[in-house]
Amino acid sequence: QVQLVQSGAEVKKPGSSVKVSCKASGGTFSSYAFSWVRQAPGQGLEWMGRVIPMFGSVKYAQKFQGRVTITADESTSTAYMELSSLRSEDTAVYYCVRVDYRGVIINAGKFDPWGQGTLVTVSS
Amino acid sequence: QSALTQPASVSGSPGQSITISCTGTSSDVGGYKYVSWYQQHPGKAPKLMLYDVSNRPSGVSNRFSGSKSGNTASLTISGLQAEDEADYYCNSYTSSDTWVFGGGTKLTVL
Repeated sequence: QVQLVQSGAEVKKPGSSVKVSCKASGGTFSSYAFSWVRQAPGQGLEWMGRVIPMFGSVKYAQKFQGRVTITADESTSTAYMELSSLRSEDTAVYYCVRVDYRGVIINAGKFDPWGQGTLVTVSS
Repeated sequence: QSALTQPASVSGSPGQSITISCTGTSSDVGGYKYVSWYQQHPGKAPKLMLYDVSNRPSGVSNRFSGSKSGNTASLTISGLQAEDEADYYCNSYTSSDTWVFGGGTKLTVL
């Protein structure tokens, strides 16, 4: 059973960057996609982007274009999300989640499993 | 890409059935079978409840069912139980090769 374990909570200053990691264990890494989803306090889920490790293919939500970088390291089965130019509105829990792709093709529209979440707090 | 539209809240008594709608456009919900639903309890990560409109992952109760008509998908929970009280989110693939979530619905079991 695949498990996604994320890095710990971060406190950042406005204007800085944060990089969150997500290590997969117990299953195949490369043939799936990994998305990042964030949730601001008391708010809903927001899709940020995804990476397909096998191809290094990335896609970002328009809102985060230019500010987010999602990567994956097949050798360590780890996905990363880096968000730059942080502002207070970026304070949120950031989740990584596996998405059921087979190569670049969606096999099933399911986001599962989810990491435990990483709280990023942006404060001066 | 705008969030899919869900009612902010729904409620029902134990044993009853409720339905949560998720409205998008022909560029997302209406155009693809890749609609899924997630349950989230406070302080927890979301949990997959349905995928590809109506498929249940193993371990999810058959009290949860899904459907889609046009640009609107629906989640129905029958035989409501106290443990069903949670936030529910729909999600869809889009024509921009992105994914979009609904705004979320808070389910209260009275």
